[in-house]
This record gives sequence, C-alpha cells and structure tokens, in this order.
Amino acid sequence: GAGVSQSPSNKVTEKGKDVELRCDPISGHTALYWYRQSLGQGLEFLIYFQGNSAPDKSGLPSDRFSAERTGGSVSTLTIQRTQQEDSAVYLCASSFLGFRFSHQETQYFGPGTRLLVL
Amino acid sequence: TQLLEQSPQFLSIQEGENLTVYCNSSSVFSSLQWYRQEPGEGPVLLVTVVTGGEVKKLKRLTFQFGDARKDSSLHITAAQTGDTGLYLCAGAGQGAQKLVFGQGTRLTINP
Repeated sequence: GAGVSQSPSNKVTEKGKDVELRCDPISGHTALYWYRQSLGQGLEFLIYFQGNSAPDKSGLPSDRFSAERTGGSVSTLTIQRTQQEDSAVYLCASSFLGFRFSHQETQYFGPGTRLLVL
Repeated sequence: TQLLEQSPQFLSIQEGENLTVYCNSSSVFSSLQWYRQEPGEGPVLLVTVVTGGEVKKLKRLTFQFGDARKDSSLHITAAQTGDTGLYLCAGAGQGAQKLVFGQGTRLTINP
C-alpha cells in the first residue's frame, strides 16, 4: 500500500555537476508527472509520461533536463551541468489513467526531492 | 497559455475566523482541483469540481466552481490551526493532458 516515493529526499550539489532524481510511482498507475516547485510557490509542469506513448516534454526548461521511465514504472529525472537556478523541490506524481483519459483524475504526489545547487 | 491567478498569496488570521481564497483565469477549464500542501510533503488533493456552478463541501471547507468554469473559490468556516498550509488550485484545460497550477495561497491560522 505504498504511495509515491522519491529519492533522494535532499541533494546538495556543486554548480556544473549532473544529478539524478528517482521516482517510484504507485503500482498500476499508467501516468507519471514531474513538477518543479520553487520556494513554496506553485508547481511548474516539467514532463508527463502516459503508458507507452511518447512523453510530453513541453515543460522541460532547457536541454539540460531529461527524464525517462523504464518499464512503465520507475522514472528518473536527470539534470546535467546544474545551475544555481535549478535549486528547487522536484515533485513526482502518478495517477491511474492520466488526464488524457479523465479530467477527474487524482494525482498522488511524492514528498519531493529538495535540490540545492551551490 | 492558460494561467491561474490565486489571491491572496498570503493570509494570516486568528482561529475561528472565516476566509475565502480565490482562483481566477481568463481560460475555461474542464475541471478544477484544490490541493493542500504541508511543509516537507507533496500536495494532497482536497476536491475536484467539473460542472459550472458546482459547490462541494468538505466539513468546514466549501469549494465553488464558477458558472463559466473560469474561476473557483475555497471558503473555510471557523478556521482551525490544523488548516495551516499552502493551498493550490489546478485546472485541466479542455482537451489538455496536464494540469496548470496557480502560485498558491499560504494560509496561517494563529491560535
């Protein structure tokens, strides 16, 4: 009965280094979303995976950001050559069908990874 | 680009008072959701409204979707310290596959 889990919970890195953030969605959920949240603000959409369809990458802020979802389950968000403006909380969410199929979906969020780039 | 504007951004009131938070847009949404987020945690869904004019109640919380489905409000009656948190509205545009989030209202209820 586990919810969405994310690791690490906190990450401190130096400017220019690459980081990988992991998300384990709820088992059976076909949709997975990544968001970025800066200092208690609203959520900025990054990328959306729906089953075997090509992901919606329209929210990725630059080509330094990429994500993959292996086997329709675990997802990894990679930030290359990190910059100080990348510091934020990165949230992952999953839902059963995805908004493509239902606008009444419940998204279940993980606790987030707090990234600090020095 | 669809935008959701929340107001106020910050609200600090005494326990027992009533309050209303607003979420406004110039765009029409198929559905609108309200989330609450506590420090160190992800947002948790409170309610989804889908019909223009719809009103939903969750104990002391009343949610309303505007008739034109462009705006929504959250009203809390007799606020309690446990209501403290960041409240986020999020809308799904017609035909959209993802949510657009407002910038949030940080609510503090003082004892």
